[in-house]
Amino acid sequence: DIQMTQSPSSLSASVGDRVTITCRASQSISSYVNWYHQSPGKAPKLLIYAASTLQSGVSSRFSGSGSGTDFTLTISGLQPDDFATYYCQQNYNSPWTFGQGTKVEVK
Amino acid sequence: QVQLQESGPGLVKPSETLSLTCTVSGGSVRSKGYYWNWIRQPPGEGLEWIGYIYYSGSINYNPSLKSRVTILIDTSKSQFSLKLSSVTAADTAVYYCARVTEGLQYRPYGMDVWGQGTTVTVSS
Repeated sequence: DIQMTQSPSSLSASVGDRVTITCRASQSISSYVNWYHQSPGKAPKLLIYAASTLQSGVSSRFSGSGSGTDFTLTISGLQPDDFATYYCQQNYNSPWTFGQGTKVEVK
Repeated sequence: QVQLQESGPGLVKPSETLSLTCTVSGGSVRSKGYYWNWIRQPPGEGLEWIGYIYYSGSINYNPSLKSRVTILIDTSKSQFSLKLSSVTAADTAVYYCARVTEGLQYRPYGMDVWGQGTTVTVSS
């Protein structure tokens, strides 16, 4: 299985901050990475697919980059609804796997 | 606009079979170019992909669950289902159904439509 390792596991930030979350794959996965936002008690929401393509309807404050094994999600100008848990996910090989999550908390 | 809704028992006894259904509204499970997925999330933990059924009927399961999982499509009701046999307490989780759109060159994109999730507890 391809392991997806996110860092950090958690971070503290303030409204308006720029936040960066990284995801490393255990092998090269081209650009087959997606990013999700999950608030407590809610289903995940797709933010970015194919490493860098913004999902329709998602704020342009979110951006993704990377290829191969290293990927990044950046949130510019953190808003109150952005305090949540973020997951990366690969669908390059089966089984599709998720990172362990990064919790963004209020500083 | 496509919406997904999970349904099924919230409590299952150990060793029995967990059965859930995902109803697709605003679209069809036979529409070309979609993968219909099940994902679960144990309490306080991360997400685990269980498997999918492609619009054509082909299936792909997570090997960690493959011996216990069955995913089926019912086109007459625009539903797809999950059966997980021989459950234990470790199968207690929120279960989600989700859609993946097939993009250029047949590559799967992200899970762009999700159900709200249904909590299943395995306990006697």
